[in-house]
Amino acid sequence: QSALTQPASVSGSLGQSITISCTGTSSDVGSYNFVSWYQQHPGKAPKFMIYEVTKRPSGVSNRFSGSKSGNTASLTISGLQAEDEADYYCCSSAGGTTRWIFGGGTKLTVL
Amino acid sequence: EVHLVESGGGLVQPGGSLRLSCAASGFTIRNFWMGWVRQAPGKGLEWVANIKEDGSEKDYVDSVKGRFTISRDNARNSLFLQMNSLRAEDTAVFYCAALSYMAFDIWGQGTVVIVSS
Repeated sequence: QSALTQPASVSGSLGQSITISCTGTSSDVGSYNFVSWYQQHPGKAPKFMIYEVTKRPSGVSNRFSGSKSGNTASLTISGLQAEDEADYYCCSSAGGTTRWIFGGGTKLTVL
Repeated sequence: EVHLVESGGGLVQPGGSLRLSCAASGFTIRNFWMGWVRQAPGKGLEWVANIKEDGSEKDYVDSVKGRFTISRDNARNSLFLQMNSLRAEDTAVFYCAALSYMAFDIWGQGTVVIVSS
């Protein structure tokens, strides 16, 4: 199964908002509300940012929000800050609760 | 504070085997599905395997089926990944993770596996 499709890179200026898309199929993103998003800084482990499409774990800034329409999920970061510069990955359940598929990752550059 | 610490990575020849371990602290893994996720050099994340709380269900990405085996020892608060018939394309950082809210909630720092002659 191929990875979910994300743009390779996005950029935005300090204080602006950006949106990262994550496109799957009717077998994964389109079938399950189990889409999550992860932030990864260079050389570090991923950090859990969004779960069940729209929910934020405790401690994650409300500048991060998620949504989904059909086979495409999205992560929006508002009020961009320098520390938001990182790689972002989406992940979806694929075929029930035991199989998972990640997106190819998006590099966010904060200008 | 919750932690996951992986170990067991290293350099291995193609066709060889390695056993990765992941020790949890600050929480008990018996309440969680657990999994392994890997990241090849310069590449994205790839889910590898999952195991249910009691070990009764396991699943694997197609590329490792028949070669990798995930297991757990809840009494030792530990997760394992036995990797056999290793290939160059298995070279990656391997992360263990605990799943909650149907997402990979807690991550370890990763252990490096290099498959090369």
